[in-house]
Amino acid sequence: GQSLEQPSEVTAVEGAIVQINCTYQTSGFYGLSWYQQHDGGAPTFLSYNGLDGLEETGRFSSFLSRSDSYGYLLLQELQMKDSASYFCAVRDYGGATNKLIFGTGTLLAVQP
Amino acid sequence: NAGVTQTPKFQVLKTGQSMTLQCAQDMNHEYMSWYRQDPGMGLRLIHYSVGAGITDQGEVPNGYNVSRSTTEDFPLRLLSAAPSQTSVYFCASTLDQRSARNEQFFGPGTRLTVL
Repeated sequence: GQSLEQPSEVTAVEGAIVQINCTYQTSGFYGLSWYQQHDGGAPTFLSYNGLDGLEETGRFSSFLSRSDSYGYLLLQELQMKDSASYFCAVRDYGGATNKLIFGTGTLLAVQP
Repeated sequence: NAGVTQTPKFQVLKTGQSMTLQCAQDMNHEYMSWYRQDPGMGLRLIHYSVGAGITDQGEVPNGYNVSRSTTEDFPLRLLSAAPSQTSVYFCASTLDQRSARNEQFFGPGTRLTVL
C-alpha cells in the first residue's frame, strides 16, 4: 500500500525558519510534491522534487532523499500569511497506475 | 481561462439521494482527478482519468462513479448518498500525465452534507 507521514501540527514565530518533514512508502515512486492550503481554500502547488537534493523557490525550499524515502519543506522568514496546511504528495506511477497520493497534512501556525 | 470550476459550491442531501458533482477545466488538461477531504484525513483520491474515455479507481472509490466523455468535463456521481460521504470534494487537473512535475490545479471545492 501507500502511506505518507507528516507531523500534524507545527508552530513557529514570525521571521523564523520551520521544517516540515514527510516520509513515504509507495509501490512506485515518481517524485515528491508539496501543496499549500489556506483554511477553506483549494490546495495550491508549491514545489516538486524528482531527484535527490534541494530545490529552492524564494522563501520556500524542498528536499528529497529517495534512498531514505524522505523529504522536507523548509519555510524561511516566516510570515503570518504562511499559516496554512501543507501537504506532501507522492506520484505513484507504474504499469496501469498513475495516482497522486497526499499525506494527511501539517497545520502550520505562525505566531507574532 | 477560468481554470478548474466546480458546481455546486454547497449541497445538502438526504440519505439515499443521488447527485452529480460537476467539474470542468478549460486548460486542455489530460489528467483529471477527484479528492475528498475530511478533517485530519488529508486529501484522499476517489477516481482519476488520464484522458477522455479512460478512468480508474483511487484510494476510496466505493459509492462513487465517474465518466470522462470529453477532455473538459469529469463529473462525480454519488449513487446513494450516505452520511459517511459528508466531506469537501475537490476536483483537480494536470496538463500532462507523463510530466514528472505533475502540478495539479484544484477547483474551489464542493461542500457536501448528507443528513
